[in-house]
Amino acid sequence: EDKVVQSPLSLVVHEGDTVTLNCSYEVTNFRSLLWYKQEKKAPTFLFMLTSSGIEKKSGRLSSILDKKELFSILNITATQTGDSAVYLCAVIAPNFGNEKLTFGTGTRLTIIP
Amino acid sequence: NAGVTQTPKFRVLKTGQSMTLLCAQDMNHEYMYWYRQDPGMGLRLIHYSVGEGTTAKGEVPDGYNVSRLKKQNFLLGLESAAPSQTSVYFCASSLWTTYEQYFGPGTRLTVT
Repeated sequence: EDKVVQSPLSLVVHEGDTVTLNCSYEVTNFRSLLWYKQEKKAPTFLFMLTSSGIEKKSGRLSSILDKKELFSILNITATQTGDSAVYLCAVIAPNFGNEKLTFGTGTRLTIIP
Repeated sequence: NAGVTQTPKFRVLKTGQSMTLLCAQDMNHEYMYWYRQDPGMGLRLIHYSVGEGTTAKGEVPDGYNVSRLKKQNFLLGLESAAPSQTSVYFCASSLWTTYEQYFGPGTRLTVT
């Protein structure tokens, strides 16, 4: 059974701090790993990672994948209150000719002003 | 572009009642998905569709049926609602399986 585990489950930091969120996975035939940000409603896409060691960056957010150790991290620098959300990690893996997404339970990040 | 839309936004059902949730996307995506999200469980795939006229079971399909008669619409049906189906339901679509999924705003369903 495919498994995606995120840590920590929740995190509270002060505005301006840097945070690192972790995602480890055990899946058969890994294809890609995705990060989403979920505020009050729908998850919104952040990054898709397919290759090991290549950092993806978008403003203050960055992410990297380690396919040998089967994990990814999401970094947020100079955090702002608008970064408060649940961050979801998901893995795409083949499933009987189709591919499906397996989600972790998320990390709830709270930024204190 | 409206993206992915879902109706209704909220619904309360009594045990045994039936209902249909509608998902629509205007991005010409081939793939569409229905998830449920419960506290501490993350998002779990109920059913998905790889194209018009096709459907397939996901991780938690029992108690649900789906149909994809038109490419832009994906319907999720509950024939006889149970309290265990109280959840937030998200629809998503993607161009292809290896592309990111775009999510709808969710439907909060309560079964009493």
